[in-house]
Amino acid sequence: QKEVEQNSGPLSVPEGAIASLNCTYSDRVSQSFFWYRQYSGKSPELIMSIYSNGDKEDGRFTAQLNKASQYVSLLIRDSQPSDSATYLCAPTGFQKLVFGTGTRLLVSP
Amino acid sequence: NAGVTQTPKFRILKIGQSMTLQCAQDMNHNYMYWYRQDPGMGLKLIYYSVGAGITDKGEVPNGYNVSRSTTEDFPLRLELAAPSQTSVYFCASSYGVDDEQFFGPGTRLTVL
Repeated sequence: QKEVEQNSGPLSVPEGAIASLNCTYSDRVSQSFFWYRQYSGKSPELIMSIYSNGDKEDGRFTAQLNKASQYVSLLIRDSQPSDSATYLCAPTGFQKLVFGTGTRLLVSP
Repeated sequence: NAGVTQTPKFRILKIGQSMTLQCAQDMNHNYMYWYRQDPGMGLKLIYYSVGAGITDKGEVPNGYNVSRSTTEDFPLRLELAAPSQTSVYFCASSYGVDDEQFFGPGTRLTVL
């Protein structure tokens, strides 16, 4: 079993729709969870962090964490073409983050 | 603050050549990391450091070496370059292991 699993996609949604990105992880002791966005040819940038069970909202983005199920998700409301990118899930591991391979999101106008 | 800087941005090496990828951060972060990302793939951890003088291997350390003599700098050394090392290399840093990692702009390396 991979340490972090994400559907590679692409996930295609129309402009204005809700995009739902999912991630499962295997390390039960992970305490912090990060979502990074990576545009093609660019470096990853942090968009959300979440540390406790439940939802965390920041603008159009909502992160959801369920530690018992070892599941973290990212919802993007009112998706825009500029949201088209690869989204990387990263829970903490021993001395480092463990990055998933990412889900590619395509938002069509 | 410049954040995390990397040099060079691009480099072409011949098989068997060596080079050093430079990485520096001005945020006084304890942790620094080197990743490689092959086309269409995820990030793979090469080496990391939890502080000056302390380094450890990541997932794919073979063919690479690192040193961390100061808090600010974390160079990555490639010895005897091979085509399999063609990739984009990212350096990152964070204050602690549970904190956000900040990434540099990357170095695109081609080995021919």
